[in-house]
This record gives sequence, structure tokens and C-alpha cells, in this order.
Amino acid sequence: NAGVTQTPKFRVLKTGQSMTLLCAQDMNHEYMYWYRQDPGMGLRLIHYSVGEGTTAKGEVPDGYNVSRLKKQNFLLGLESAAPSQTSVYFCASRKHSSSGNTGELFFGEGSRLTVL
Amino acid sequence: AQSVTQLDSHVSVSEGTPVLLRCNYSSSYSPSLFWYVQHPNKGLQLLLKYTSAATLVKGINGFEAEFKKSETSFHLTKPSAHMSDAAEYFCVVSPNQAGTALIFGKGTTLSVSS
Repeated sequence: NAGVTQTPKFRVLKTGQSMTLLCAQDMNHEYMYWYRQDPGMGLRLIHYSVGEGTTAKGEVPDGYNVSRLKKQNFLLGLESAAPSQTSVYFCASRKHSSSGNTGELFFGEGSRLTVL
Repeated sequence: AQSVTQLDSHVSVSEGTPVLLRCNYSSSYSPSLFWYVQHPNKGLQLLLKYTSAATLVKGINGFEAEFKKSETSFHLTKPSAHMSDAAEYFCVVSPNQAGTALIFGKGTTLSVSS
């Protein structure tokens, strides 16, 4: 029962470097999300996707890009990392509900990124 | 517009005493509401959810929450705290409109002392 898997779990980058975080879910969920978690800020939505080939901006999208080429994968990219992007990143997925937005989110274990 | 406010950033209780974590929400649509728990260095786990059925919702580990539309509140309670309840708790609102994202509160850290 893998659920939502994030890789890598830890990464240290230098300012200006690029990297990609991978999120994979095996529950055939339509919706996928990337959040960042910072002390005292709760979880803030970076980008999300309501289906394969579609993405949308969340609350804090600047400096990030995403792609959803396959239904089960949602990639988060940092083209030029900055110290302000030091955070814990969480991926989540949810099943589409025809009755509305009632489904729960299933979370990965998180990816801790440090930008020096 | 949708928003969620957790009224306390930190709550401290003694083991065996009641727990109350407060959450108020604002939503243009009839919302679904959730409480999630996060233990240190872990992902988030669903405690309970309200989806317009019974207003009193029971969750895992003895937690429950009551949806009060008139007060726009969804407070989380537990009759008797356990040491293992020490964690961060997030109240989440989901506007019932397809395609929209969930909105998280800033979290409440629950400390439990012996």
C-alpha cells in the first residue's frame, strides 16, 4: 500500500541550482497538489492539477513550475533555487467527487529542501 | 472568498484533561471541513471530516468535532488527552465546488504534560 510517495526525502541545494521533486500516487486519483510548510504558516498551496495534462497556480506559485504528464505523477520543479525556498514540501492527492469537493487528501511523507 | 482561522497557535493541557482546538471558517459555498494531525517529521493524517451529514463528527483516537453553521465553527474536542496526542493540528475547509483546492489553517500545536 504505497499511497503517495515523494522523492527525494531530503536535498541540499546551492542558490541558483535547479531540481525536481517527484510525487507518485497509486490510487488513481484525479487531483494532485503541492504544498510547502513553513513554521507558523501552515500549509500553503503552490500548484495543483485536476487531471492529466492540466495544472493551475495556487497561493505561492512564484519560482516553481509543475507538470502532470501522467495521471499518477506530479512533478515540482525549481529552476533557480533561492534560500526563501528552504521548506518542507508535501504532495497530496484526492479522488474527484461528482458531488463536490468532499474527498479527503492523502499526503506523502514530505521532502525537506535546504537552499544555501 | 474562503478562509479558515485557527484561533490558538498553541494549546497546552495535562494528560487526562479535555482538549479543545478552535476553528472558524468562511466559505461562499457549503463547505466540507476536515481536521488533520501531523506528528513531528511526519506527513498529515486525517482525523475526521464533515461533509453535510451529521453535524457531530467522530474521528480516530477519540476525537470529535461539531459543525455549527450559525457560528461558522468546527471545533475539535477530546474528553481526555493522552501523551501521544501531542502534535500539530490543522483545520481545513473545502468549498464544495469541483476543481477548487483545500484551504489550510495555520495550525495549532498541542502540548500534553504528564
